[in-house]
Amino acid sequence: EIVLTQSPGTLSLSPGERATLSCRASQSISSNYLAWYQQKPGQAPRLLIFGASSRATGIPDRFGGSGSGTDFTLTISRLEPEDFAVYYCQQYGNSPRTFGQGTKLEIK
Amino acid sequence: EVHLVESGGGLVKPGGSLRLSCAASGFIFSSYSINWVRQAPGKGLEWVSSISSSGNFIYYADSVKGRFTISRDNAKNSLYLQMNNLRAEDTAVYYCARASIEAFDYWGQGTLVAVSS
Repeated sequence: EIVLTQSPGTLSLSPGERATLSCRASQSISSNYLAWYQQKPGQAPRLLIFGASSRATGIPDRFGGSGSGTDFTLTISRLEPEDFAVYYCQQYGNSPRTFGQGTKLEIK
Repeated sequence: EVHLVESGGGLVKPGGSLRLSCAASGFIFSSYSINWVRQAPGKGLEWVSSISSSGNFIYYADSVKGRFTISRDNAKNSLYLQMNNLRAEDTAVYYCARASIEAFDYWGQGTLVAVSS
């Protein structure tokens, strides 16, 4: 099983700032099958990034994904008020599909 | 527009059973693998099970293997999760999620399963 470790656990920033979230895998993720999801309280997760760096339909270009192998990053270039939420990474190249434990992005 | 709607959640005693359903619309259901993902209160996401488009390939998390059974009816555009021998640690919101090359691209709103005496 591929274990995904996200850091930091909580990130406190202000609107307009840049956010950098990390996801590290216990082994290399095949074909960069790494996704990022955003989840707000009481809502289902929403796909942001797939294939490590491709934005899902309708996702603003302030969201960017990068990385390969075992180290991946989600960057939000300029935080909007609606971006404060919990973010999860997921690998979907191997079974079982696994998620990271999440990073909570909170308003400073 | 793609829609996934879960139902069947509720309160059940330890050792009991429950069957969840996921009704799909807005896409060719028989062309996609579908997954169940759960989230315990205040916790992160946990993948539970997946089923291929034809139903021929099925996978389970170790935590539910032998107790949960995933199935689908492509004629009814529906996915199911039969949950037996439920435990307190199975308490969670259960989501169905469509899988594509774009990861889990659409999710339902979830249904709450509470296991308690």
